[in-house]
Amino acid sequence: EDQVTQSPEALRLQEGESSSLNCSYTVSGLRGLFWYRQDPGKGPEFLFTLYSAGEEKEKERLKATLTKKESFLHITAPKPEDSATYLCAVQAHLGGGADGLTFGKGTHLIIQP
Amino acid sequence: NAGVTQTPKFRVLKTGQSMTLLCAQDMNHEYMYWYRQDPGMGLRLIHYSVGEGTTAKGEVPDGYNVSRLKKQNFLLGLESAAPSQTSVYFCASLRVAGSLTYNEQFFGPGTRLTVL
Repeated sequence: EDQVTQSPEALRLQEGESSSLNCSYTVSGLRGLFWYRQDPGKGPEFLFTLYSAGEEKEKERLKATLTKKESFLHITAPKPEDSATYLCAVQAHLGGGADGLTFGKGTHLIIQP
Repeated sequence: NAGVTQTPKFRVLKTGQSMTLLCAQDMNHEYMYWYRQDPGMGLRLIHYSVGEGTTAKGEVPDGYNVSRLKKQNFLLGLESAAPSQTSVYFCASLRVAGSLTYNEQFFGPGTRLTVL
């Protein structure tokens, strides 16, 4: 059974204070690892897909990395508008791409001015 | 291009009532999904569809039915609502890119359902 564990559950940072969110996973053949951002009362917003260990992707203050067992979402010099819940999800090779994603419970990030 | 839309946004039902949630996408995506999101549980897959006229069960399908009569629409039905179905429901559609069918799912804004 595919499993995704995110830590910490919640994180409070000062504006400009860099940090990392962790996503540990077990999956029977990783097809892709996904990061989403979710604001209160809204649907998840796609950020990144990572496909193989060693891969990195960046978008503004966010950088996602992937190893064989976990992924990190690094946040550099965050701003209050980066406050959100960040979701990690995996998709396994089985199912030919049709299966849905297995999500972690998310990390609730608060950036204080 | 509206992306993925869901109706209604909010609904309150009494136990035993039925209702249908509508998801529509205008991106010509083949695959569509229904998830539910509960506090402390994360998003869980209810049902999905890989094309018009096809549906399949996800992780938590009991108590729900779905239909995909048109490519752009995916309906989620509750025949006899129960308080355990109180949740936020999200629809998603899948864009497939490249020969290896790498993908990213686009989510709708959600439907908040309360069953009393």
